[in-house]
Amino acid sequence: DAKTTQPNSMESNEEEPVHLPCNHSTISGTDYIHWYRQLPSQGPEYVIHGLTSNVNNRMASLAIAEDRKSSTLILHRATLRDAAVYYCILRSSNTGKLIFGQGTTLQVKP
Amino acid sequence: KAGVTQTPRYLIKTRGQQVTLSCSPISGHRSVSWYQQTPGQGLQFLFEYFSETQRNKGNFPGRFSGRQFSNSRSEMNVSTLELGDSALYLCASSWYRGGTDTQYFGPGTRLTVL
Repeated sequence: DAKTTQPNSMESNEEEPVHLPCNHSTISGTDYIHWYRQLPSQGPEYVIHGLTSNVNNRMASLAIAEDRKSSTLILHRATLRDAAVYYCILRSSNTGKLIFGQGTTLQVKP
Repeated sequence: KAGVTQTPRYLIKTRGQQVTLSCSPISGHRSVSWYQQTPGQGLQFLFEYFSETQRNKGNFPGRFSGRQFSNSRSEMNVSTLELGDSALYLCASSWYRGGTDTQYFGPGTRLTVL
């Protein structure tokens, strides 16, 4: 399974944009890039996913590099409720398992 | 729709005992996956069931087993419990669309082995 590399932690101020990077240099052509987050004392929560093109949804945006070896999760206006561990995961289209790394712990300061 | 539910939410067992955890997926979801979360190892995949068949398995000993019923509900069993089995056990049900899937996680079962 292809691995991802994320910074251990990041800080942001409330109401400012946050860019969470992820490197996945060994990504294969069939791997989707998924982001999940885990708030304290909760199970992980799906955030967004993409294959090649940038994606937007109500929670966030996903910017994917042209060579697909890196991606960035963008929270447009961080709130205190966005403080969580964010996981970047490569997902092959033909397997049902998620391989979680250590993720990035995002702290949001008021 | 109701979310993924897991029972029980908390459980205390002693070494050597066995335990069964239950997971009810979101209605219509046919895939159920199980994960173990510990402070030291993070989130680790245990196994996935689809239409009552185990489709994927992680690197856990045979003491960890599971099954899925015809209504997609799933159970996982851990026999001969060890102290290191203390963890949060998470269940997720999946919805496949467009070549990939989205997993919806339950709140987890916190297992403590004494």
